[in-house]
Formats: sequence, C-alpha cells, structure tokens
Amino acid sequence: DPKIIQKPKYLVAVTGSEKILICEQYLGHNAMYWYRQSAKKPLEFMFSYSYQKLMDNQTASSRFQPQSSKKNHLDLQITALKPDDSATYFCASSQDWGGGAEQFFGPGTRLTVL
Amino acid sequence: TQTVSQSDAHVTVFEGDSVELRCNYSYGGSIYLSWYIQHHGRGLQFLLKYYSGNPVVQGVNGFEAEFSKSDSSFHLRKASVHWSDSAVYFCAAASSGSWQLIFGSGTQLTVMP
Repeated sequence: DPKIIQKPKYLVAVTGSEKILICEQYLGHNAMYWYRQSAKKPLEFMFSYSYQKLMDNQTASSRFQPQSSKKNHLDLQITALKPDDSATYFCASSQDWGGGAEQFFGPGTRLTVL
Repeated sequence: TQTVSQSDAHVTVFEGDSVELRCNYSYGGSIYLSWYIQHHGRGLQFLLKYYSGNPVVQGVNGFEAEFSKSDSSFHLRKASVHWSDSAVYFCAAASSGSWQLIFGSGTQLTVMP
C-alpha cells in the first residue's frame, strides 16, 4: 500500500486558474514538506511543516499556499497559475524534524499549465 | 550562499563496474549530507546520510559515501553496479537546525548490460 498519496497524478490547468494538490501520508510522521522539480531547475524546496505549523517557506510567491487540515495532510493550493508553474510537485514526510531527517517522498503530481 | 553541486550530469558504466558519483558542498557550520535516488517517473528514495562520526557511511543496496571536510565533498560509491541501479542520484544538504533540504542538480547513472 502506498504510504504517501498524492492526488492527482497528472493535472492540466489553464493560465490564471487555481488548483489544489493533495498530499496524505500514512507513516505516522510529524513533519511534511513540498518540493518542486522542473526541467529548468533542480529539485527545489518549497515548504516544511511540523505538527501542522509552518517551519520554513522558500517560495517567494504568495500564490503558493500550503494547507494542513490534519497532521497527516499537507495540500498545496496554487492560485493565478502561470505556465512557469509547470513542474512535478513532490510531497515528502519525515519522522524526525528538520532538513537532516530521512525524508520519504510521494510519487508526485505533474502539473502542466497551458 | 549554501550550495550543493554535482559536476557530472551523466555517468555511464557497465554492469559489474564500480562507480563514483561526485558531490561537493559549500556550507558554513555543521551540516547534514545525504543521497537520494530517483527512478524514472517515481519519487525520491533515501539512500544514506552523514552528520558526524565515521566519514564513510553505508547505505542501502551496497552504496556507501565518504565525507571529506577538506575537499568539501560527499561522494557516493558502489563497488559493483547492477542494471537496476540506473536512475538519477541527488546529493542533498541541510544546515544543522534548518528545516530546508537543498538538492544538487542530480546525476543520471546509466548501467549498460
């Protein structure tokens, strides 16, 4: 059974629209993260959460908003979508806190913005 | 500025060969260093990490990495590769106390039969 679920696997959106990327982890971890991977840039750290609290935000744009309704959920809302937002978005989690912890990654959501 | 660099974008070897994937970092203070593997179309999987102690750390599937403070390096090695080791390998670093993991650009390892 998959331990980290990301939905949907593929997502196509039009410029200017809004989408929510879903992430649920069933590893009992307390920390969750979002990363972005595109052809132009290596894997980029976006957000980290611990016990539903934002710990670090390296996303310059407020168009990206993480949402944590439960400890094992960390969704990513993206508003006013742009073609440059096209990328694969990975959710991850860890038992221990911080950047040095072993992180477990989901399969990713591939977003294409037309 | 904290950076992680992987100088080789692509490495091709034959099955049974040894391989070394290079990683250099630029960080001040104490850091955690790790390696992750990404098979095509999948999420990343943790291989190993180093923080302190023995500079040679063992990971899964016969991988090991060696930390060198003098060279600012954390190279990944495997003595005998298998075709299933073909994947992209990412080196990553985080400052002690930081919540941010910084990845290198990745090295595509191709193992020929």
